[in-house]
Formats: sequence, C-alpha cells, structure tokens
Amino acid sequence: GESVGLHLPTLSVQEGDNSIINCAYSNSASDYFIWYKQESGKGPQFIIDIRSNMDKRQGQRVTVLLNKTVKHLSLQIAATQPGDSAVYFCADGFQKLVFGTGTRLLVSP
Amino acid sequence: NAGVMQNPRHLVRRRGQEARLRCSPMKGHSHVYWYRQLPEEGLKFMVYLQKENIIDESGMPKERFSAEFPKEGPSILRIQQVVRGDSAAYFCASSKAEGDRGAFFGSGTQLSVL
Repeated sequence: GESVGLHLPTLSVQEGDNSIINCAYSNSASDYFIWYKQESGKGPQFIIDIRSNMDKRQGQRVTVLLNKTVKHLSLQIAATQPGDSAVYFCADGFQKLVFGTGTRLLVSP
Repeated sequence: NAGVMQNPRHLVRRRGQEARLRCSPMKGHSHVYWYRQLPEEGLKFMVYLQKENIIDESGMPKERFSAEFPKEGPSILRIQQVVRGDSAAYFCASSKAEGDRGAFFGSGTQLSVL
C-alpha cells in the first residue's frame, strides 16, 4: 500500500545552520510531492512542491530534491531561523495527499 | 485574501452527540479534502469531494461519519454518536481542480469528546 515516512522524528539545529529533512515513499507511480510546514495549533502550510519529471526545485531558502531511483525526497532549508521551528510533512499527491508522520525541526538560537 | 475557513475552531461534545464541522474553500476552489490528525501523528486522509459529489471516501470510517459539499454553502463533515476516539484535529483543504494538487489547508477544528 501507499506510505510516506520520515526517517527522523526530531531534528535539532542551530540558528544559521542548513537543515535537511528526509522522506521516503513507496508508491513507484507517485508523480507529485509536496512539503508542508505545520506550526503548533495551525493547519499545514504549503512550502514547495515537485513533480516527478524534475529532480530538484528551489524556492526561497528551501530546496526539494527528488530521487526516484530510491524513492526518496528531501527538503533543505538554508540558514535556518527560529521561525522555521515546526513539524514538516512530506505528502505524496499522486491521487490524494498521503502524509507521513512528520519531522519536528527545533531551531535553537 | 480569504483562505480556507473552518469553523468552529474548537468543538466539545459529549459521547453520543453529533458533531458538525464546516469548511469553506478558498474562492474559486471546487475541490475539498478532509483529514484527521491525532497528536504527534501525520494527517490521515478521510474524504475528497467536489461540488455535490463524493470522489473518494476511502479514508472515512464506515459508520457514523459522513461528508457533503453542496452546490451552495460550505462542506460539512458530520460525525454522529461521537465517541472519545473521535477526539482529534480535523483539517480541511481545498484546491482549484483535480490536476491542481497543491492543496491549501484551513486552521482546523479541534474536536474534544468528553
């Protein structure tokens, strides 16, 4: 069945460091992925998406990498700031959004 | 720039009562998705609706849960005879079209069953 999972439940970084959050998926037919950020008590916020015909996409301070061979994607956050502290989810959007458990990013000053 | 609106923000019900959760999609969006989230867990898909149609309800419990998205008005997620296990955050997302899967989420409804 479909599943999207994250390797690390919690990632702690220092302010200014680069953060890398990983995600694995199992559905080889998946062709669309989204990263969401969820702050406490709020709904998920769209960060960036990528389609399977790409292996990299950049946004503002964020980059998503997609490796279809090993069914893995990652979210890279440059110069992490305290405001980046949140839970990050990857979602497989092939037919409906299938979410993983999430990675909690803790940024200390 | 109104986003996806959900109400109520918090809902408290006693066991056996009914819970109605409302979701107004973003302007111009005709596709609505409902998700449930337990503490420290990911979002679990429940149902995908278009105006007046249920497209995918594979994540909905077979009993007590129903959803609708009428031609006019918000989408409604209805839970009958609530039990404590229904306590969770329920999120709604909307998108413009089936091919546009960059869905945007509301702030959620926190359901607490006493």
